[in-house]
Amino acid sequence: EPEVTQTPSHQVTQMGQEVILRCVPISNHLYFYWYRQILGQKVEFLVSFYNNEISEKSEIFDDQFSVERPDGSNFTLKIRSTKLEDSAMYFCASSGTVILAEQFFGPGTRLTVL
Amino acid sequence: DAKTTQPNSMESNEEEPVHLPCNHSTISGTDYIHWYRQLPSQGPEYVIHGLTSNVNNRMASLAIAEDRKSSTLILHRATLRDAAVYYCILRESRSGTSYGKLTFGQGTILTVHP
Repeated sequence: EPEVTQTPSHQVTQMGQEVILRCVPISNHLYFYWYRQILGQKVEFLVSFYNNEISEKSEIFDDQFSVERPDGSNFTLKIRSTKLEDSAMYFCASSGTVILAEQFFGPGTRLTVL
Repeated sequence: DAKTTQPNSMESNEEEPVHLPCNHSTISGTDYIHWYRQLPSQGPEYVIHGLTSNVNNRMASLAIAEDRKSSTLILHRATLRDAAVYYCILRESRSGTSYGKLTFGQGTILTVHP
């Protein structure tokens, strides 16, 4: 069964450093998403991406964040200058169509900012 | 996105049915009702969705009230593997709005006892 994969599973970084979280969505999917979940809190939407551009972003997704689909298979989330409050589990998701299709989530990357 | 209300937690015994309620009194006519769940230390996972009629799939059943102001996710025989946080989410069906993002609430923590 196809699945979304994410690397690394755990990333530890120093405050102010740049991090890139990587995701490989399901191969024939067209819509891609990033969510995050701070420990003990609810899952929060960050950004959606379609046709090589951002479709929608939340207030959390400020100028420190960017997304890219560099090579047609990977989907990345970059945080330019990490803050302590960026520590969270980051989930990538993909879906074939937008509105009603189920989103398939990856296992997540745990980001720890020290 | 329209708001949903779920109990914080529920308990069940293994192999017994579980009925997880969700209230969505402000649902609009174009909102679909989606359920996702999140197993411990995993990303969210799609369970089922519906609009007006009851729905069944291999994982669960979804019973939707006639006025659509509430719904119930039914797990017919709970297993230990069903212990998770269950999220009831409303998604607009109008093309071009929402771009498919999922808005998670706190969900219901389901505990299954052996």
